[in-house]
Amino acid sequence: GDSVTQKEGLVTLTEGLPVMLNCTYQTIYSNAFLFWYVHYLNESPRLLLKSSTDNKRTEHQGFHATLHKSSSSFHLQKSSAQLSDSALYYCALSDWGYQNFYFGKGTSLTVIP
Amino acid sequence: NAGVIQTPRHKVTGKGQEATLWCEPISGHSAVFWYRQTIVQGLEFLTYFRNQAPIDDSGMPKERFSAQMPNQSHSTLKIQSTQPQDSAVYLCASSLDGGSYEQYFGPGTRLTVL
Repeated sequence: GDSVTQKEGLVTLTEGLPVMLNCTYQTIYSNAFLFWYVHYLNESPRLLLKSSTDNKRTEHQGFHATLHKSSSSFHLQKSSAQLSDSALYYCALSDWGYQNFYFGKGTSLTVIP
Repeated sequence: NAGVIQTPRHKVTGKGQEATLWCEPISGHSAVFWYRQTIVQGLEFLTYFRNQAPIDDSGMPKERFSAQMPNQSHSTLKIQSTQPQDSAVYLCASSLDGGSYEQYFGPGTRLTVL
């Protein structure tokens, strides 16, 4: 069945270093939507990025991700980590046809001074 | 637009008691999702309604958990005979029409089972 894998559970980075959070997925559907949701402490999770277009870079709030269908990946990147980026990041998958939805286990990012 | 509303925000129950959690989706949204969040498991999908019909409840522990959506303005998640391992934050989300659309999350209900 469909699934999402985030191999890093915990990531600790020094402020100013680049961020890369991995996300790979499995799906039988060709029309897959990939998402990154961010969950800051004491807030509700919210959408950060979304894409369904192969090889197109999507950007928002300094973060970017490119959907690569050939490698089934949708890694989240940022050129320079900020303290305020500390949060839980969830990668998620949906198919257009059946509207089912799958979250990865999440990656907890901690940015230190 | 008040966003997704969840009540109560905090609930403490004794082992074996029942807990009912409420969710009011954003007006006009046809899809409602329930999730459970813990430090160990992260965000676990529980169940999903679309136009009030149950679409996927594959994440629901079958024996004690049940969810309903009696009308388009609210959904409930009921846990019978609560156990300490049910302690978690239960999140409700709604979207315009299913999983391909952005999900808007509520503030969650923190359930503590003593």
